[in-house]
Amino acid sequence: EVQLVESGGGLIQPGGSLNLSCAASGFTVSTNYLTWVRQAPGKGLEWVSLIHSGGDTFYADSVKGRFIISRDNSKNTLFLQMSGLRAEDAAVYYCARGLSAGWNFDYWGRGTQVTVSS
Amino acid sequence: QSALTQPASVSGSPGQSITISCTGSSSDVGDYNYVSWYQRHPGKAPQLMIYDVSNRPSGVSNRFSGSKSGYTASLTISRLQAEDEADYYCSSYTSSSTLVFGGGTKLTVL
Repeated sequence: EVQLVESGGGLIQPGGSLNLSCAASGFTVSTNYLTWVRQAPGKGLEWVSLIHSGGDTFYADSVKGRFIISRDNSKNTLFLQMSGLRAEDAAVYYCARGLSAGWNFDYWGRGTQVTVSS
Repeated sequence: QSALTQPASVSGSPGQSITISCTGSSSDVGDYNYVSWYQRHPGKAPQLMIYDVSNRPSGVSNRFSGSKSGYTASLTISRLQAEDEADYYCSSYTSSSTLVFGGGTKLTVL
């Protein structure tokens, strides 16, 4: 059974850093593309970042230069390193697995909450 | 990258059909057949309902269908059921190698 479990969220001050993890099971992270999507309170879904099976990475303009997506194939885990955090980064962060080449996602985790506040 | 445009809400009665639109531009919906639709019940993870404009993942009811014309993609739900009440989001790959979501549509089953 495919499962994705996020962790690492929490309360962080503006300007701080936080590292999110997404532990995958039931499939191999190295052979699928994976993404992070977030949802701020009262807002819709916002795409954050994606890593291809080949290792290429992509970012939303809002996080480019501040966030880094990566994966550890040995741990079958996806990561999101977040730095220079802003109030507008506060959201529930979800990881998801890609289904086809069209950047669509068939399995999602339950999310981890990131709160940015002083 | 601006969000795709969806109606804030739609409604329908059980047994009826409804359509949710998703309007983009030449940089996303208009130029790529990589439009997806997600269903989101409160407190649950999004569920992929349609991908690549009109394909249904395994297990998704054939009451859900997708299409595209020009810059606008559409999700149609036929024979509406109470369990279809949820938020629906469209997404599209873009020419900037990014992904953009719509603002979401709240479907109410009357």
